[in-house]
Amino acid sequence: DIVMTQSPDSLSVSLGERATINCKSSQNIYYSSKNKSYLAWYQQKPGQSPKLLLYWASTRKSGVPDRFSGSGSGTNFTLTITNLQAEDVAVYYCQHFYGTPLFGPGTKVDI
Amino acid sequence: EVLLVESGGGLVNPGGSLTLSCAASGFTFTKAWMAWVRQAPGKGLEWVGRIKNKADDGTTDYAAPVKGRFSIVRDDSKNMVYLHLNSLKTEDTAVYYCTVGAGLCDYWGRGTRVTVSS
Repeated sequence: DIVMTQSPDSLSVSLGERATINCKSSQNIYYSSKNKSYLAWYQQKPGQSPKLLLYWASTRKSGVPDRFSGSGSGTNFTLTITNLQAEDVAVYYCQHFYGTPLFGPGTKVDI
Repeated sequence: EVLLVESGGGLVNPGGSLTLSCAASGFTFTKAWMAWVRQAPGKGLEWVGRIKNKADDGTTDYAAPVKGRFSIVRDDSKNMVYLHLNSLKTEDTAVYYCTVGAGLCDYWGRGTRVTVSS
């Protein structure tokens, strides 16, 4: 079975600075037949439901600010939040969504 | 606007059963794959299972911890999806979210809380 890990568990970032979250899959989740990595990122603000931020590792969902960006392929992925805003305080989850979906354990971002 | 409204949560004894409902609107429900995701208190997200649309054969898939105990059913005439929870265990205590998407969870409801305790 695929295992998803994230690092760090939590990080504190100053307003306007950059936050970098890493996600690692125990197996390659790039599927050449689709030419895509089946990796998504979600944001869950305190007291709220999760929201989809990015999919295919780097495609932003409509309406998501461009300060959120994703990169990576295969087994290693990164979510970068540039110019961190107060409203970005949240827990961020990666997820592989091919076959049986699985979420990473989450990374808490605060200021 | 996509809207998902879950209901049916509550307190149930270990070994008991419960049915959660999700009312969907704002998208073409008959074309959508629907899924359930849960979150135990203070914990992360756990994918529970999904049901495909009828055109893709309408079958279901479940995560290992709930397979054989939970079942997902859809009623396309009512734009509803249901999660039947049986043989409940204390570790099933969580907020249960209804989501739209084949594997990706594109939209989420607010969730309904299930507490399994004697």
